[in-house]
Amino acid sequence: AQTVTQSQPEMSVQEADNVTLSCTYDTSESDYYLFWYKQPPSRQMILVIRQEAYKQQNATENRFSVNFQKAAKSFSLKISDSQLGDAAMYFCAYSKFSNTGNQFYFGTGTSLTVIP
Amino acid sequence: NAGVMQNPRHLVRRRGQEARLRCSPMKGHSHVYWYRQLPEEGLKFMVYLQKENIIDESGMPKERFSAEFPKEGPSILRIQQVVRGDSAAYFCASSLQGQNTGELFFGEGSRLTVL
Repeated sequence: AQTVTQSQPEMSVQEADNVTLSCTYDTSESDYYLFWYKQPPSRQMILVIRQEAYKQQNATENRFSVNFQKAAKSFSLKISDSQLGDAAMYFCAYSKFSNTGNQFYFGTGTSLTVIP
Repeated sequence: NAGVMQNPRHLVRRRGQEARLRCSPMKGHSHVYWYRQLPEEGLKFMVYLQKENIIDESGMPKERFSAEFPKEGPSILRIQQVVRGDSAAYFCASSLQGQNTGELFFGEGSRLTVL
């Protein structure tokens, strides 16, 4: 069974600093997708960044970047130049595409506080 | 293009009553997922449906819980004879059939409170 582990229930960062959120996962598959989702206080989850496992290059989206270590099954999220609006719950997720569609597995989340 | 719509946003039920949560996926999406989020916990997978078909219900309790996604209309998550432990936020998400980019689009959730 696929599992996703986020070992940091809470993190805090000073505004304008960088912060890294950790995620590890367990799978026997070689082709899959990894995601970071953000859940702001308004509670609607939105996609932050996505990584295809077959791509060696780490994904980046503006101030968000990942460090994908496939052999170590690690997928950390780095937020650069943190802003107050980055405060949210962040969920790491794993997905495996199959003929019947995608199944998604989420970690327990990391609550990020941004200190002004 | 409207996003994933869930209703009601808030639902209060007494123990033993039934709760029905509705989810309309994004236009064109035929895959629907239901997740439960308890305080200080992550998203717990419940069920994955396509139109008129349950793909995976391994996360759903065997008793009192059921889900459907009919050919027409929204997906329904039904909880019979609710108990206090059912109090949680229930999130629906949808994805495009056959899409292999894997993105889920979430609704704003339905918060169920059982008195």
